[in-house]
Amino acid sequence: GENVEQHPSTLSVQEGDSAVIKCTYSDSASNYFPWYKQELGKRPQLIIDIRSNVGEKKDQRIAVTLNKTAKHFSLHITETQPEDSAVYFCAVSKSGRVRFGAGTRLTVKP
Amino acid sequence: GAVVSQHPSWVICKSGTSVKIECRSLDFQATTMFWYRQFPKQSLMLMATSNEGSKATYEQGVEKDKFLINHASLTLSTLTVTSAHPEDSSFYICSARAMGYTQYFGPGTRLTVL
Repeated sequence: GENVEQHPSTLSVQEGDSAVIKCTYSDSASNYFPWYKQELGKRPQLIIDIRSNVGEKKDQRIAVTLNKTAKHFSLHITETQPEDSAVYFCAVSKSGRVRFGAGTRLTVKP
Repeated sequence: GAVVSQHPSWVICKSGTSVKIECRSLDFQATTMFWYRQFPKQSLMLMATSNEGSKATYEQGVEKDKFLINHASLTLSTLTVTSAHPEDSSFYICSARAMGYTQYFGPGTRLTVL
């Protein structure tokens, strides 16, 4: 089955700095790559997604890049704020079934 | 936006009893619903995929006789944990998808088995 690896497991940055989280996957047929933010005890919230026919997508301070050849994709958060602190999950989808990465706990220090 | 609800939000039950969790898409018709389990400080693990009117597809290692899934309509899927044991205690989250790629998650149900 699909194997999704996410790094780092924890990330601490100063407010205003950038944060980068990386994921790799194994199944080249995967075609949809969402990123979720989950706060403690709450549901995952979709923050950005990208399809396999696109290399990069940006939404304000958040961007995702996809390298299909290398089978990896990354989440970039610029100008981080304390409210960005949460657990972030990458995910990989093929035929609608979604596999999640292990998660990255991001802490933004004021 | 699309809204998915779950009921109950939390449940405590005795070992050996069965618990049913409902997942509803409130403002859209969900062709597919997914059930996940999340242990503390861990990722979401896909348990099964259900399509309306057909049998659920379970992931490897998930006992289909223990986790019964019914997707009776385009807006409702239920997960029944049968003969629950303490090791089944977890956060169960459903998600629903219409025709596109995006999945919308329910708020989750915290199950505690005593």
